Amino acid sequence: VQLVESGGTLVQPGRSLRLSCAASGFTFDDFAMHWVRQAPGKGLEWVSGISLNSNTIVYADSMKGRFTISRDNAKRSLYLQINSLRPDDTAFYYCAKARGSSLGHNLDNWGQGTLVIVSS
Amino acid sequence: DIEMTQSPSSLSASVGDRVTITCRASQSISSYLNWYQQKPGKAPKLLIAAVSSLQSGVPSRFSGSGSGTDFTLTITSLQPEDFATYYCQQSYSTRWTFGQGTKVEIK
Repeated sequence: VQLVESGGTLVQPGRSLRLSCAASGFTFDDFAMHWVRQAPGKGLEWVSGISLNSNTIVYADSMKGRFTISRDNAKRSLYLQINSLRPDDTAFYYCAKARGSSLGHNLDNWGQGTLVIVSS
Repeated sequence: DIEMTQSPSSLSASVGDRVTITCRASQSISSYLNWYQQKPGKAPKLLIAAVSSLQSGVPSRFSGSGSGTDFTLTITSLQPEDFATYYCQQSYSTRWTFGQGTKVEIK
């Protein structure tokens, strides 16, 4: 199993960014996927999850409205669109494969993370 | 959202010590509780799923217990490679949440 995130960069407040996660080594469309973020030196914060067929999508309450998770099973890819970026969105963003039905119950494989820095 | 509170936030221990980390949920989460280990500069790793199910390759010195709102991660005979930060995570609610983490440091 390999998960490789990309798209992290230095971006100005108020701008938008789309993160990607390329999956390999497993049948991507058999598993739910999630995004988790971690501000530098801080703890893990669950962001969002998407079921294998995109029928179920959930967000952390603090992420609703500005974050959009999506997936393209044909491309074996997971995405996270973040709009109106704020300095407190600065974090490593990890994509992770879930295990279990629907949205899954735990995250058994993680990418290496991509760093988003929001600063003017 | 369900709040997960870990204690302690950090601890210092010696190689060979027995270490216990607790995780308390703000409401009952049945057995939907997982533990992760994270080492500096690395992605988290799933250690224990569903309270007590040790993941493949995880040493048997790790164990988990609990139900409802109170859970425990125990490391018997702490090894040098166990110094890391540990997080609990609930999946009872569709909106998952993590504990704030417990950093295990070398005494």
